[in-house]
Order: sequence, then structure tokens, then C-alpha cells
Amino acid sequence: EVQLVESGGGVVRPGGSLRLSCAASGFTFDDYGMNWVRQAPGKGLEWVSGINWSSSIIGYADSVKGRLTISRDNAKNSLYLQMNSLRVEDTALYHCVRGRGTGEDAFDIWGQGTMVTVSS
Amino acid sequence: DIQMTQSPSTLSASVGDRVTITCRASQSISTWLAWHQQKPGKAPKLLIYKVSSLETGVPSRFSGSGSGTKFTLTISSLQPDDFATYYCQQYNSYLITFGQGTRLEIK
Repeated sequence: EVQLVESGGGVVRPGGSLRLSCAASGFTFDDYGMNWVRQAPGKGLEWVSGINWSSSIIGYADSVKGRLTISRDNAKNSLYLQMNSLRVEDTALYHCVRGRGTGEDAFDIWGQGTMVTVSS
Repeated sequence: DIQMTQSPSTLSASVGDRVTITCRASQSISTWLAWHQQKPGKAPKLLIYKVSSLETGVPSRFSGSGSGTKFTLTISSLQPDDFATYYCQQYNSYLITFGQGTRLEIK
């Protein structure tokens, strides 16, 4: 079964850091681009960051550029999101999402998400 | 960044109705457009990619069309399971953006 399982969410103070992880299974991980998409409570979907299969192409939403860093380890079938200088507006459910191809693409597999709450 | 604008924001319809949701891009995205369905408390589900290609397992009552900057998702005959929120997604580059969503509710 194709599966993405996120972990690492929690409650953090403004200015703090978290590292999210996503464990992939059921498919050849390094055949696909991967992404993080977040959804604040009661709000719509916001793409956060994406990385192609070889880590040679990376993109970030303007709202997170310079604070969040995406990475992947194909040997461990894992995707990561290092989150620094967190703000209250970063509070959201963070989904790990697979693209259909090796780079930017339609999102075909979604994890259930890990919740990040930034609050003082 | 490419802005995606969906309309309407909310749509009230009945079982059996034909409905259309529109998504407009602030600049041309060629055919790099997908549609997702999300139900409360669930992760989104891919319905259509590359404007009109139906994802495996998605019912044929869903269809997509358009190119350039204007795109549509059509549900030919609404079923009870279709009441949900729908999002368009452009993937013209690694500055991916979603529309704000269209909530489809029962009239």
C-alpha cells in the first residue's frame, strides 16, 4: 500500500524550531518529487515547499522562504521540513504530498498530516 | 507568483444537478492544472490532472477542460458523495499555488 506518514509536529513558541519528517512506503521514493502542503484550521490549502527526485530543484512559498528548509534522504525513503523562526501564522496541519512525476506535478498521494501549533 | 482564483466560493446544488466550478490563473499555466476534492477531516484527493486527465478510480461524471488561464471542473450528475470542497492546483513551476476552494453544499 502506498503510504506517507508524517511526524514531528507539536506546540512551539514563536521564534522556535521544529523538524517534520515523512516516512514513505509502498513505492519507489526516488522516482517522485515530494512536497509539503499546509492547511490552517478552517482555511484552504497552501503549498509550502517542493523538492524534485534528486534534490537538484527546490521551491518555497514566499511566506516561508528563508525560514523553512526542505530536504530528502532517498536511502531512507524520507522527506523532511526543518522549520526555524516559527510564527503564529505557521500554525497548521502539515501534509507530506507526492507529486505524480519526478519534479513539480499534480499531487496524487497525501499523508494525513502532522499538526504544528505556534503559540506563546 | 501565479494567483489562482476559483468561482464560486460556495455552490448550492441538488443531487442529479450538473455543476461547474471555474478556476482562473493570473498568467498562462499551459495545461499544468489539477483538481482536488476534500471532505471534512480528510486529506485531499486528486480527481483530475493536466486539465482533463481523470485519476484512476475517479468516476467519469467528473471532467475538466480549459487551457492557458481559464479552467473548469464539471460534475455531470451530482451524487451524495460529491458534496465537499474542491481546489484547483497549478504546477507550472516549483512555485505551486492552489485556488481558495469552492464549497459544494446540498441545496
